Parts: sequence; C-alpha cells; structure tokens
Amino acid sequence: DAGITQSPRHKVTETGTPVTLRCHQTENHRYMYWYRQDPGHGLRLIHYSYGVKDTDKGEVSDGYSVSRSKTEDFLLTLESATSSQTSVYFCAIRKLAGGNTDTQYFGPGTRLTVL
Amino acid sequence: AQKVTQAQTEISVVEKEDVTLDCVYETRDTTYYLFWYKQPPSGELVFLIRRNSFDEQNEISGRYSWNFQKSTSSFNFTITASQVVDSAVYFCALSDSTRDNFNKFYFGSGTKLNVKP
Repeated sequence: DAGITQSPRHKVTETGTPVTLRCHQTENHRYMYWYRQDPGHGLRLIHYSYGVKDTDKGEVSDGYSVSRSKTEDFLLTLESATSSQTSVYFCAIRKLAGGNTDTQYFGPGTRLTVL
Repeated sequence: AQKVTQAQTEISVVEKEDVTLDCVYETRDTTYYLFWYKQPPSGELVFLIRRNSFDEQNEISGRYSWNFQKSTSSFNFTITASQVVDSAVYFCALSDSTRDNFNKFYFGSGTKLNVKP
C-alpha cells in the first residue's frame, strides 16, 4: 500500500464541463504522475510532477492541465471534457527506495465517463 | 524512441498449465529499467518486478519467473502451474535513464490472461 487515494472514484459528466480529479498521497513522495488507461493502449502518461509547482507534459497531455500546490496533492483538470477523455485515470507516485523496489506505485483509479 | 510491445492481446490456458507472456522493448539508451505489473479484475495495478539493463540474471519468485535477454530486447514473464487467481491483465513497462525520461514509464498495451479451472 503506497498511501495513494484518488477522488472521485467514479464520475459521469457531460461534454464541455470542467472536471478535476484529485490524487492524494500520505508519504511525502516527490514524484507524482497521471496516466490514462484505454483498451489497446495500456497506460499512457498525461502529466507528471517532480515537486511542488514543478510539472511537465507526458505523451497525451492535450486537453489536460495539472497543478501541485502541496506535496501531497496532484490535481488533474479537464478544462472542457470531451467524449474522447472517457477513460480510467490512474495516479502514481515514485518511491525512490533504491534497488529493485524503486518503481511507480499506483492509486486505485478513477473511472470517468463523458457523455 | 522508447516503445514496449506486448504482441499477445489475450491468452487462455487451463489451470496448471505453464504460460509465457512476451514483452519486447525498444530504447536507444544503454541503461534502462524494465517492469512488470499485474492488473486483476478488481482494477488495481500491482508491481511485480523491476530489472536493470546491466543485470541479465533471470529471476524466479515462486511460480513466477522472468527471462531478460538484451540480445533480443525481450523481458518475458512465465507463470508455472497457472492458477485461476493468475487471471489478470499483465503490463510490461520501460524506463530509461536519459535526463528527460528517467521518471517516465512507457507501458505496453497489456496481455489479458484467462486461466480456466
């Protein structure tokens, strides 16, 4: 258990509305990530953060923005949701433990449906 | 560019059979890391293993084993004597050590394993 929670866990919204997903961690990890999971694509990185107010784009960042004002929270915002953003969203943290447990650990996911 | 290919979309086996999940990767870096994750039907992602590019020793953990071959850019995962509880989607992932990519993971599209009783 990496101490990661995501909220909400499920959300249905309409096209054109703004949506914010929250990722919260309790272990003070520096690196946090947002991925989306779609059939046939595995997980694709949307944005990641390497510290408070330090973020960078991943491979599918169009239509998404992020913010990290506190170490423990990483927010993903869809400014104007579209049906193509219907997906399962996973947050992850990087545990810099050294050795072969140094990897990303994932939250439980948020299922977002855009009608 | 970094890329991970899991060519097997779905595999079905009968319990107690051995099964191998294939993973082929591409990277230009000489130092990189490979990972396997399991996603059971409940949806969470469970870390299974990490391997460094400079360590080609195969790994065994109970019924699970991993075969890392740099010559063929493959990192295959074998489950021996499969069980119904092994039914899940398995993802292979790659991370390399270049400055921009050290913290980025590139995932394959996953292999769904169905183990039938």
